[in-house]
Amino acid sequence: GNSVTQMEGPVTLSEEAFLTINCTYTATGYPSLFWYVQYPGEGLQLLLKATKADDKGSNKGFEATYRKETTSFHLEKGSVQVSDSAVYFCALSVWLSGNTGKLIFGQGTTLQVKP
Amino acid sequence: DTGVSQNPRHKITKRGQNVTFRCDPISEHNRLYWYRQTLGQGPEFLTYFQNEAQLEKSRLLSDRFSAERPKGSFSTLEIQRTEQGDSAMYLCASTAGTGQETQYFGPGTRLLVL
Repeated sequence: GNSVTQMEGPVTLSEEAFLTINCTYTATGYPSLFWYVQYPGEGLQLLLKATKADDKGSNKGFEATYRKETTSFHLEKGSVQVSDSAVYFCALSVWLSGNTGKLIFGQGTTLQVKP
Repeated sequence: DTGVSQNPRHKITKRGQNVTFRCDPISEHNRLYWYRQTLGQGPEFLTYFQNEAQLEKSRLLSDRFSAERPKGSFSTLEIQRTEQGDSAMYLCASTAGTGQETQYFGPGTRLLVL
């Protein structure tokens, strides 16, 4: 079956530190991969995505590369800010004939950035 | 484009009562999903509509749950005879097209069953 595994949190960093949140997946077919972010009191927002192997998604200084050989989609940012404090979810969807494109999420990783 | 909206934002009910949530997707989005998120977990898929047709239901969706999307516009999710285990955030997402386009999420309805 399809599944996503994220590194457990919480992750606590000082401002300007380097961030990595690990994400690995298992999927049948050719998934698209996503990172969603949930700020306190808000809904899920798409942060970035990649739809095929070796694609790199990027947004707001965050990056993630779709690695088929290691079935990974790790999230990175070179210098985090206090405003990046949120819960980050890795997710996949598989769109094949008969599939519906539903998202399969990891359990989420809480990031806390201290000034 | 006003985004996906959900009502109510919060619902407190007593065990055994029925509740209904509404989701208004982004206009012209033909695909609509419901997810459930419990504390400390990622969202889990409940059901999917393409236009007015309900094409997939998760095993999580017991017979106490029913969802509709009349006329392919807004959708409702009803839970009958609520149980404390139903307490969660219920999320709605919509998207367009036939490929792996981005799903846009609403703010969710937080349900607390006492």
